[in-house]
Amino acid sequence: DIQMAQSPSSLSASVGDRVTITCRASQSISNYLSWYQQKPGKAPKVLIYAASSLQSGVPSRFSGRGSGTDFTLTISSLQPEDFATYYCQQTYTTLLTFGGGTKVEIK
Amino acid sequence: QVQLQESGPGLVKPSETLSLTCTVSGGSISRESYYWNWIRQPAGKGLEWIGRIYPTGNADYNPSLRSRVSISVGTSKNQFSLNLNSVTASDTAVYYCAREYVSFFVDGSGSYDYFDYWGQGTLVTVSS
Repeated sequence: DIQMAQSPSSLSASVGDRVTITCRASQSISNYLSWYQQKPGKAPKVLIYAASSLQSGVPSRFSGRGSGTDFTLTISSLQPEDFATYYCQQTYTTLLTFGGGTKVEIK
Repeated sequence: QVQLQESGPGLVKPSETLSLTCTVSGGSISRESYYWNWIRQPAGKGLEWIGRIYPTGNADYNPSLRSRVSISVGTSKNQFSLNLNSVTASDTAVYYCAREYVSFFVDGSGSYDYFDYWGQGTLVTVSS
Protein backbone atom coordinates (compact mmCIF):
# COMPACT_ATOMS: atom_id res chain seq x y z
CA ASP A 1 0.00 0.00 0.00
CA ILE A 2 1.04 3.60 -0.55
CA GLN A 3 2.19 5.44 2.56
CA MET A 4 1.47 9.15 2.87
CA ALA A 5 3.92 11.07 5.05
CA GLN A 6 2.75 14.49 6.17
CA SER A 7 4.97 17.12 7.70
CA PRO A 8 5.05 18.75 10.07
CA SER A 9 2.73 16.84 12.37
CA SER A 10 1.88 20.11 14.08
CA LEU A 11 2.72 23.76 13.77
CA SER A 12 2.00 27.02 15.56
CA ALA A 13 1.24 30.08 13.51
CA SER A 14 -0.32 33.51 13.82
CA VAL A 15 -3.25 35.02 11.99
CA GLY A 16 -1.96 36.38 8.70
CA ASP A 17 0.94 33.94 8.42
CA ARG A 18 1.64 31.94 5.29
CA VAL A 19 1.52 28.24 6.12
CA THR A 20 2.71 25.31 4.02
CA ILE A 21 2.06 21.64 4.75
CA THR A 22 3.85 18.88 2.88
CA CYS A 23 2.66 15.42 1.90
CA ARG A 24 4.99 12.83 0.40
CA ALA A 25 3.78 9.58 -1.16
CA SER A 26 5.87 6.40 -0.95
CA GLN A 27 5.45 5.98 -4.72
CA SER A 28 4.11 8.07 -7.55
CA ILE A 29 0.40 8.84 -7.35
CA SER A 30 0.26 11.22 -10.34
CA ASN A 31 -2.13 13.94 -9.15
CA TYR A 32 -4.59 11.72 -7.27
CA LEU A 33 -4.21 13.73 -4.10
CA SER A 34 -6.83 15.53 -2.02
CA TRP A 35 -6.56 17.76 1.04
CA TYR A 36 -9.11 17.84 3.86
CA GLN A 37 -9.64 20.12 6.83
CA GLN A 38 -11.06 18.72 10.05
CA LYS A 39 -12.19 20.69 13.08
CA PRO A 40 -12.75 19.06 16.49
CA GLY A 41 -15.90 16.94 16.63
CA LYS A 42 -16.62 17.44 12.94
CA ALA A 43 -16.25 15.41 9.78
CA PRO A 44 -13.44 16.32 7.39
CA LYS A 45 -14.18 18.77 4.61
CA VAL A 46 -12.48 18.70 1.22
CA LEU A 47 -10.39 21.72 0.28
CA ILE A 48 -8.36 20.60 -2.73
CA TYR A 49 -8.73 17.68 -5.15
CA ALA A 50 -6.57 16.47 -8.02
CA ALA A 51 -3.60 18.03 -6.21
CA SER A 52 -4.40 21.61 -7.21
CA SER A 53 -8.12 22.05 -7.93
CA LEU A 54 -9.94 24.20 -5.40
CA GLN A 55 -13.25 22.75 -4.24
CA SER A 56 -16.23 25.03 -4.85
CA GLY A 57 -16.88 27.33 -1.92
CA VAL A 58 -13.39 27.01 -0.44
CA PRO A 59 -11.58 30.35 0.03
CA SER A 60 -8.87 31.15 -2.50
CA ARG A 61 -6.24 31.50 0.24
CA PHE A 62 -6.01 27.70 0.08
CA SER A 63 -3.92 26.28 -2.75
CA GLY A 64 -2.35 22.95 -3.61
CA ARG A 65 0.60 21.98 -5.75
CA GLY A 66 2.52 18.91 -6.73
CA SER A 67 2.53 15.76 -8.78
CA GLY A 68 4.13 12.35 -8.52
CA THR A 69 5.28 11.96 -4.93
CA ASP A 70 5.57 15.48 -3.48
CA PHE A 71 2.65 17.74 -2.69
CA THR A 72 1.99 20.91 -0.71
CA LEU A 73 -1.02 22.66 0.75
CA THR A 74 -0.52 26.38 1.30
CA ILE A 75 -2.68 28.81 3.23
CA SER A 76 -1.59 32.22 2.01
CA SER A 77 -2.87 34.24 4.97
CA LEU A 78 -4.02 32.21 7.96
CA GLN A 79 -7.43 33.16 9.32
CA PRO A 80 -8.91 32.33 12.76
CA GLU A 81 -11.24 29.75 11.23
CA ASP A 82 -8.30 27.88 9.66
CA PHE A 83 -7.01 26.50 12.94
CA ALA A 84 -7.73 22.80 12.44
CA THR A 85 -6.12 19.52 11.44
CA TYR A 86 -5.31 18.92 7.78
CA TYR A 87 -5.05 15.56 6.05
CA CYS A 88 -3.85 14.54 2.63
CA GLN A 89 -5.35 11.49 0.90
CA GLN A 90 -4.32 9.51 -2.15
CA THR A 91 -6.88 7.87 -4.42
CA TYR A 92 -4.39 6.51 -6.96
CA THR A 93 -4.76 2.93 -5.80
CA THR A 94 -7.79 0.92 -4.79
CA LEU A 95 -6.48 0.97 -1.22
CA LEU A 96 -7.06 4.58 -0.26
CA THR A 97 -4.74 6.04 2.34
CA PHE A 98 -4.53 9.23 4.37
CA GLY A 99 -1.58 11.10 5.74
CA GLY A 100 -1.14 11.27 9.49
CA GLY A 101 -2.44 14.81 9.74
CA THR A 102 -1.05 18.25 10.52
CA LYS A 103 -2.52 20.18 13.41
CA VAL A 104 -2.40 23.94 12.91
CA GLU A 105 -2.51 25.75 16.23
CA ILE A 106 -2.58 29.35 17.31
CA LYS A 107 0.76 30.85 18.29
CA GLN B 1 -28.59 19.03 -0.83
CA VAL B 2 -26.89 15.71 -0.25
CA GLN B 3 -26.79 14.45 3.32
CA LEU B 4 -25.36 11.29 4.83
CA GLN B 5 -26.30 9.97 8.26
CA GLU B 6 -24.72 7.07 10.11
CA SER B 7 -26.84 4.98 12.48
CA GLY B 8 -26.31 1.94 14.64
CA PRO B 9 -25.40 0.81 18.15
CA GLY B 10 -22.96 2.97 20.04
CA LEU B 11 -21.75 0.07 22.17
CA VAL B 12 -20.66 -3.34 20.94
CA LYS B 13 -19.28 -6.20 23.01
CA PRO B 14 -15.88 -7.71 22.22
CA SER B 15 -16.01 -10.59 19.70
CA GLU B 16 -19.40 -9.44 18.42
CA THR B 17 -20.29 -7.73 15.14
CA LEU B 18 -20.37 -3.99 14.62
CA SER B 19 -23.16 -3.03 12.22
CA LEU B 20 -23.75 0.48 10.92
CA THR B 21 -25.99 1.92 8.24
CA CYS B 22 -25.49 5.08 6.22
CA THR B 23 -28.64 6.71 4.92
CA VAL B 24 -28.19 8.99 1.93
CA SER B 25 -30.65 11.75 1.13
CA GLY B 26 -30.64 14.16 -1.79
CA GLY B 27 -29.09 11.74 -4.25
CA SER B 28 -29.17 8.15 -5.45
CA ILE B 29 -26.46 5.69 -4.46
CA SER B 30 -26.87 3.87 -7.76
CA ARG B 31 -25.48 6.71 -9.91
CA GLU B 32 -22.27 5.85 -11.74
CA SER B 33 -20.36 8.95 -10.62
CA TYR B 34 -20.29 7.98 -6.97
CA TYR B 35 -18.66 5.42 -4.73
CA TRP B 36 -19.73 4.98 -1.10
CA ASN B 37 -17.13 4.72 1.61
CA TRP B 38 -16.62 3.95 5.28
CA ILE B 39 -13.79 5.61 7.22
CA ARG B 40 -12.98 5.47 10.92
CA GLN B 41 -11.03 7.60 13.36
CA PRO B 42 -9.97 6.49 16.85
CA ALA B 43 -10.05 9.25 19.44
CA GLY B 44 -7.17 11.66 18.94
CA LYS B 45 -5.83 9.79 15.91
CA GLY B 46 -5.92 9.96 12.15
CA LEU B 47 -8.29 8.70 9.49
CA GLU B 48 -8.37 5.08 8.36
CA TRP B 49 -10.17 4.05 5.20
CA ILE B 50 -12.22 0.89 5.75
CA GLY B 51 -13.66 0.22 2.31
CA ARG B 52 -16.13 1.25 -0.35
CA ILE B 53 -18.96 -0.06 -2.44
CA TYR B 54 -19.44 0.71 -6.11
CA PRO B 55 -22.69 1.26 -8.05
CA THR B 56 -22.25 -2.28 -9.38
CA GLY B 57 -22.52 -3.63 -5.84
CA ASN B 58 -18.89 -4.75 -5.79
CA ALA B 59 -16.73 -3.62 -2.91
CA ASP B 60 -13.10 -3.07 -2.01
CA TYR B 61 -11.67 -3.25 1.48
CA ASN B 62 -8.61 -2.21 3.43
CA PRO B 63 -6.44 -5.36 3.52
CA SER B 64 -5.87 -4.83 7.24
CA LEU B 65 -9.60 -5.41 7.82
CA ARG B 66 -10.56 -7.53 4.84
CA SER B 67 -11.02 -10.76 6.77
CA ARG B 68 -13.55 -9.12 9.12
CA VAL B 69 -15.39 -6.50 7.07
CA SER B 70 -18.18 -6.34 4.54
CA ILE B 71 -19.98 -3.42 2.93
CA SER B 72 -23.30 -3.86 1.20
CA VAL B 73 -26.20 -1.91 -0.18
CA GLY B 74 -28.97 -1.71 2.38
CA THR B 75 -32.51 -3.02 2.12
CA SER B 76 -33.61 0.53 1.42
CA LYS B 77 -32.40 1.83 -1.94
CA ASN B 78 -30.49 4.75 -0.49
CA GLN B 79 -28.66 3.01 2.27
CA PHE B 80 -25.42 1.14 2.51
CA SER B 81 -24.11 -0.79 5.44
CA LEU B 82 -20.93 -1.77 7.24
CA ASN B 83 -20.41 -5.01 9.12
CA LEU B 84 -17.22 -5.60 11.09
CA ASN B 85 -17.04 -8.87 12.97
CA SER B 86 -14.93 -10.16 15.85
CA VAL B 87 -14.41 -6.66 17.20
CA THR B 88 -11.91 -5.75 19.88
CA ALA B 89 -11.22 -2.58 21.84
CA SER B 90 -8.97 -1.40 19.00
CA ASP B 91 -12.08 -1.05 16.81
CA THR B 92 -13.39 1.70 19.08
CA ALA B 93 -13.61 4.82 16.92
CA VAL B 94 -15.81 7.39 15.28
CA TYR B 95 -17.12 5.83 12.10
CA TYR B 96 -17.90 8.01 9.09
CA CYS B 97 -19.62 7.27 5.83
CA ALA B 98 -18.69 9.42 2.85
CA ARG B 99 -19.53 9.86 -0.80
CA GLU B 100 -16.66 9.70 -3.27
CA TYR B 101 -17.26 11.75 -6.39
CA VAL B 102 -15.57 10.45 -9.54
CA SER B 103 -15.25 12.53 -12.67
CA PHE B 104 -13.02 13.55 -15.57
CA PHE B 105 -11.38 16.80 -16.55
CA VAL B 106 -13.12 18.34 -19.56
CA ASP B 107 -9.77 18.81 -21.33
CA GLY B 108 -9.23 15.07 -21.35
CA SER B 109 -6.22 15.28 -19.06
CA GLY B 110 -7.48 12.56 -16.76
CA SER B 111 -9.84 11.62 -13.98
CA TYR B 112 -10.14 12.66 -10.37
CA ASP B 113 -12.03 11.61 -7.29
CA TYR B 114 -12.47 12.87 -3.79
CA PHE B 115 -14.80 12.63 -0.81
CA ASP B 116 -17.27 15.46 -1.27
CA TYR B 117 -19.90 14.63 1.36
CA TRP B 118 -19.46 13.05 4.77
CA GLY B 119 -21.81 11.96 7.52
CA GLN B 120 -21.42 13.58 10.91
CA GLY B 121 -19.83 10.43 12.30
CA THR B 122 -20.95 8.02 14.99
CA LEU B 123 -18.92 6.86 17.96
CA VAL B 124 -18.77 3.11 18.42
CA THR B 125 -17.25 1.81 21.63
CA VAL B 126 -16.22 -1.81 21.98
CA SER B 127 -16.52 -2.83 25.61
CA SER B 128 -18.10 -5.50 27.74
